[in-house]
Amino acid sequence: AQSVTQLDSHVSVSEGTPVLLRCNYSSSYSPSLFWYVQHPNKGLQLLLKYTSAATLVKGINGFEAEFKKSETSFHLTKPSAHMSDAAEYFCVVISTTSGTYKYIFGTGTRLKVLA
Amino acid sequence: DAGITQSPRHKVTETGTPVTLRCHQTENHRYMYWYRQDPGHGLRLIHYSYGVKDTDKGEVSDGYSVSRSKTEDFLLTLESATSSQTSVYFCAISDLGQGFLEHNEQFFGPGTRLTVL
Repeated sequence: AQSVTQLDSHVSVSEGTPVLLRCNYSSSYSPSLFWYVQHPNKGLQLLLKYTSAATLVKGINGFEAEFKKSETSFHLTKPSAHMSDAAEYFCVVISTTSGTYKYIFGTGTRLKVLA
Repeated sequence: DAGITQSPRHKVTETGTPVTLRCHQTENHRYMYWYRQDPGHGLRLIHYSYGVKDTDKGEVSDGYSVSRSKTEDFLLTLESATSSQTSVYFCAISDLGQGFLEHNEQFFGPGTRLTVL
């Protein structure tokens, strides 16, 4: 079965510095991967998705992620953090078992942006 | 934003009482899901539906039941609420993609905060 591991539960960066949120996946074939963002007391919003079309995926709000099969990673990056980026971020993989599909969530990374 | 609403948005109830949460979509998506979100656990799947009257269990289904009598509505019922079911509940929808066996992203509702005293 497929799974994801978010390597950091908390990340702190200064405003204007790069952001790196790490996600490793486990999959026996080419997976579908997603990053979602959740601002406080809000629902989840899709940032970007990978579905095998291109390894570098650009999302909303300046975020992007690179699919690296050799490293089984799908890390989320942004060149310059903004205060509004403070939120929780979830890496998600689609798991297939006996013909059924489920979205498997990582445990989340809380991003703090310091002024 | 995808047309997904949840009701109620907040609820406080007592242990042992039944509770029903409603998810309503206007996107005509085939798949609907109920998750709970608790600190340190991310989102955990309770139940999901792959069509009208077609549902299946997720990883934390004990104490919960669901029903889907129409494409647009997916109900989550706590038959007898317990304090361990205090959580934030999210509904999500998704549909098939263009490619073979391709699934698109999920869209989420705003959540329901449930407190069981």
